[in-house]
Formats: sequence, structure tokens, C-alpha cells
Amino acid sequence: GPKVLQIPSHQIIDMGQMVTLNCDPVSNHLYFYWYKQILGQQMEFLVNFYNGKVMEKSKLFKDQFSVERPDGSYFTLKIQPTALEDSAVYFCASSSRGGEEQYFGPGTRLTVL
Amino acid sequence: GEQVEQRPPHLSVREGDSAVITCTYTDPNSYYFFWYKQEPGASLQLLMKVFSSTEINEGQGFTVLLNKKDKRLSLNLTAAHPGDSAAYFCAVSRTNTGKLTFGDGTVLTVKP
Repeated sequence: GPKVLQIPSHQIIDMGQMVTLNCDPVSNHLYFYWYKQILGQQMEFLVNFYNGKVMEKSKLFKDQFSVERPDGSYFTLKIQPTALEDSAVYFCASSSRGGEEQYFGPGTRLTVL
Repeated sequence: GEQVEQRPPHLSVREGDSAVITCTYTDPNSYYFFWYKQEPGASLQLLMKVFSSTEINEGQGFTVLLNKKDKRLSLNLTAAHPGDSAAYFCAVSRTNTGKLTFGDGTVLTVKP
């Protein structure tokens, strides 16, 4: 089936540093999403992105978070500065249209020390 | 906002038995419904999508039932086998944003 890639698979950083998580969505998809999953807990929506703009974001999408997809390259989630509570697995997803099935990447496990 | 409740949180069955997982949702404007499977350390694998006009969908070894009146979505694994052991998540979406609201998940264990 359609593949979403995420780079890196693991990232360990010190609190206060900046981190960028990269997502390579399905090639013809236009809608992009980030979700956060703390170990053993529910998958939670962070943000969705279409046509160069954030469409909707949750309360988890703090001011320190930002997303972009410059010129069709990676769809990125940047956290600056990071906090301890940002430790989680971050999943990227994409879909052809809003509301259609989303295909998920393998996740990036972020550990903030 | 949308609330999705999923039951049970854990389910253990014997190989060959059936397993039923149920989600209830609150937003009557929800239009798309999904079931995902997540094996340990892996990402989410789409099992089935259900639209509001569809009530029963059958996949390989499972059936999904949507009851719009009761705002209830269920996944029924018929004749479960050990390879079905995983976490299962329901997810609900509204067309205009694509935001998925997930249930808390059900950890299914199928014993030989």
C-alpha cells in the first residue's frame, strides 16, 4: 500500500534544544497531519496542513511547535525549544482529501532529556 | 469537541474465538470512520474505512458495523488467530478538516 516515510526513527536531545522531524508523505497526497502518542496511550491529533497552511491545530500544538512543507519537500514538525513533556512518538500521516483515509508513517521516537 | 470511547481496553481470547471491539462517538456530524491495527513498535495499519452511508463492511476475517442512530462502531474479528494480537484503534473524522479523533485503543491477545 501507500508508504509514508519518517526521518529519523529515533532522536534523543537535551531539553531546550530544537528538533525537526521529517516526513515524506505519499506522493500524490495533499493533506498532511502530525499526531503524538505517548507510550501506551491514545494517539492524539496535533495539526493538519493543506495548501501551505495550517487548517486546524489542537491544544497540544503549543507555540513552540511549527510545521511547513517548503516547495514539495519534506513535511516537517519543528519544536523549539523542546520540553520534557514533548517526549513521545510522533506520527506523520497523509491523505488525498480531508476526511479520507490517512496513511501513517512508522513514527519518530523523540526523547527529551 | 468529538469524544470517542472505546471498549474494552484489553481483550484476551483463544484462537478460533471471535473478538468484538466497540466505539461510541458523540459528534453527529462525524462522517468517516476507520479502524486501525498497531503491532508493537510499529505504525498504524488501516484495516477498514466506513462512510456514513455504509452500515456493514466485511474484510479479511473481520466485520465492521456502523450504527449511526446509536453512534456506535464495532469491529468483529471472526475466528481470531495469534497474528491478530495487536492494539486496535477506532478513529472518527469530519470531512472538512480530516482531523482524526481516536479511541483509547484495545489491546487484543489471541492465545494458541
